[in-house]
Amino acid sequence: DVKVTQSSRYLVKRTGEKVFLECVQDMDHENMFWYRQDPGLGLRLIYFSYDVKMKEKGDIPEGYSVSREKKERFSLILESASTNQTSMYLCASSSQPSQHEQYFGPGTRLTVT
Amino acid sequence: AQKVTQAQTEISVVEKEDVTLDCVYETRDTTYYLFWYKQPPSGELVFLIRRNSFDEQNEISGRYSWNFQKSTSSFNFTITASQVVDSAVYFCAPVSNFGNEKLTFGTGTRLTIIP
Repeated sequence: DVKVTQSSRYLVKRTGEKVFLECVQDMDHENMFWYRQDPGLGLRLIYFSYDVKMKEKGDIPEGYSVSREKKERFSLILESASTNQTSMYLCASSSQPSQHEQYFGPGTRLTVT
Repeated sequence: AQKVTQAQTEISVVEKEDVTLDCVYETRDTTYYLFWYKQPPSGELVFLIRRNSFDEQNEISGRYSWNFQKSTSSFNFTITASQVVDSAVYFCAPVSNFGNEKLTFGTGTRLTIIP
């Protein structure tokens, strides 16, 4: 079974803090994704990586950065957290090409106060 | 770029009833894929189906069936004899078959099955 794990299910941070969300997959997938999910807006892609050290901006990259130093790990970084980044964050992975099905982690509910 | 509309925000049906979730998409591509995902209360999205735009045959998997109509740009999902475990948010997502394109998710339909 494909397994995608995320470092935390729930996280509470203060405005201005630097926040790291970690995602690990165990299926040797080339592609990894970070989404945020907000009520009424569905899933929106923040960043996408198709290989180690490669990244592409998604639809809403502002305020976020990512890091992929190893194939199995994809980190989402909030350089200076703000209250409008309170959301559910979902990580996913897939094999190449990107049109293959994605496998999702359980999500991290981040609250920024 | 793709666009997808899931006009039904929330649906409630009584257990054992059939229910259809609508998905209408827009694309300029001649070939593309269509996906459905399920997000149960636990939060983890689960892949249900991927359909190639070349294949317009309906698909049935147990109580689930999908009706793909290229002429109306729709890819509807029907659950027959619904069960409480079907309660979830369901997402439709098209993706172009060209290049390294990413899925475009709809806003989802929240389905509640009433026991």
